[in-house]
Amino acid sequence: AQSVTQLGSHVSVSEGALVLLRCNYSSSVPPYLFWYVQYPNQGLQLLLKYTSAATLVKGINGFEAEFKKSETSFHLTKPSAHMSDAAEYFCAVTTDTGRRALTFGSGTRLQVQP
Amino acid sequence: DVKVTQSSRYLVKRTGEKVFLECVQDMDHENMFWYRQDPGLGLRLIYFSYDVKMKEKGDIPEGYSVSREKKERFSLILESASTNQTSMYLCASSLGTGIYNSPLHFGNGTRLTVT
Repeated sequence: AQSVTQLGSHVSVSEGALVLLRCNYSSSVPPYLFWYVQYPNQGLQLLLKYTSAATLVKGINGFEAEFKKSETSFHLTKPSAHMSDAAEYFCAVTTDTGRRALTFGSGTRLQVQP
Repeated sequence: DVKVTQSSRYLVKRTGEKVFLECVQDMDHENMFWYRQDPGLGLRLIYFSYDVKMKEKGDIPEGYSVSREKKERFSLILESASTNQTSMYLCASSLGTGIYNSPLHFGNGTRLTVT
């Protein structure tokens, strides 16, 4: 079975500061990893995904994430936060064996201070 | 653009009622999912379906059932609603069998309150 752990349920940064949201995964087979974002009163939308091609993955809105097998991590970063980045972010994992469904982490709410 | 529509944005039901949450997608997606979202717990998978009339249990299926009679529609049923089923329910769909290559498309959610 696979799982993800997101460290920090709330993260607050200043506008223009680096954003770092942490995600660690557990999987006995090679994982496929995703970051989704949920803006207030909306459903989730895909930010980026890792599917074993490049370890550094670029997504929408200037976000990127790096797959580190040795650390079982897939942290999300953005060099400079914008007010519009305030949202909840979810890391998710699946594999190409077993059930065809994503397992999500508990989420991290990002606040951006002016 | 893919659209996943959940029939109700807010729903208030009484304990013991039978509750139907409806979800429709308009892009001929094979896979459909029901998650519930609770603060601090993230999204937890209730049921999913990868074909008409097919269903698979997720991580928390107890107290729920599902129905998929048509490809575009996936219904979540609470047989006898209880207060611990008060939550945000999210429906999602995706194309094909390779979920790792096909992103989930989510509806905007149904906030269910059971009193």
